[in-house]
Amino acid sequence: GAVVSQHPSRVICKSGTSVKIECRSLDFQATTMFWYRQFPKQSLMLMATSNEGSKATYEQGVEKDKFLINHASLTLSTLTVTSAHPEDSSFYICSAKSEVTDTQYFGPGTRLTVL
Amino acid sequence: QKEVEQDPGPLSVPEGAIVSLNCTYSNSAFQYFMWYRQYSRKGPELLMYTYSSGNKEDGRFTAQVDKSSKYISLFIRDSQPSDSATYLCATKYNFNKFYFGSGTKLNVKP
Repeated sequence: GAVVSQHPSRVICKSGTSVKIECRSLDFQATTMFWYRQFPKQSLMLMATSNEGSKATYEQGVEKDKFLINHASLTLSTLTVTSAHPEDSSFYICSAKSEVTDTQYFGPGTRLTVL
Repeated sequence: QKEVEQDPGPLSVPEGAIVSLNCTYSNSAFQYFMWYRQYSRKGPELLMYTYSSGNKEDGRFTAQVDKSSKYISLFIRDSQPSDSATYLCATKYNFNKFYFGSGTKLNVKP
């Protein structure tokens, strides 16, 4: 149980385009989902916390207009990287919080490369 | 001071060894502790979580919490090459506030 999927697993795009990443909790409902960014050989960096039906809470230094988060249902949150640039290239990981275990379950991650 | 401190390693051990991974935390109000395993280019996988002081065992893994010294440990018995990964400790504070350690990279040599 407690499986989280992410799609796509890998995306390559041109500079200036927008990219949408989906995060789904497959076998549980998640009121809260989290979006992280991870650079090579570094730890997780929390970008934002999204709550179903309300606006996401962004961490300091994360541009909310650049990284649009939508959490429209209890099983789906999306992250859209708008007008992507090479410096946005990174590994993006989502997680969903289970109300049963009160802990986070992570997706497999999405590797974004912006050319 | 960071909320959770973790030695980054790398920690290299021979197959079959007992591995000890450790974290310290700063706030005695933290009540809930987790260990995750992350393979390269993958998302973290939850290994264990515990609320209380003492030990919690799951197969070859034992999580230990010492609240008096604010110290959490993960022990891996009979370590295997497939255990080679980065291990993250984490704690939860309040409703949605999680703090993660920076991760310890473990290499189990055949």
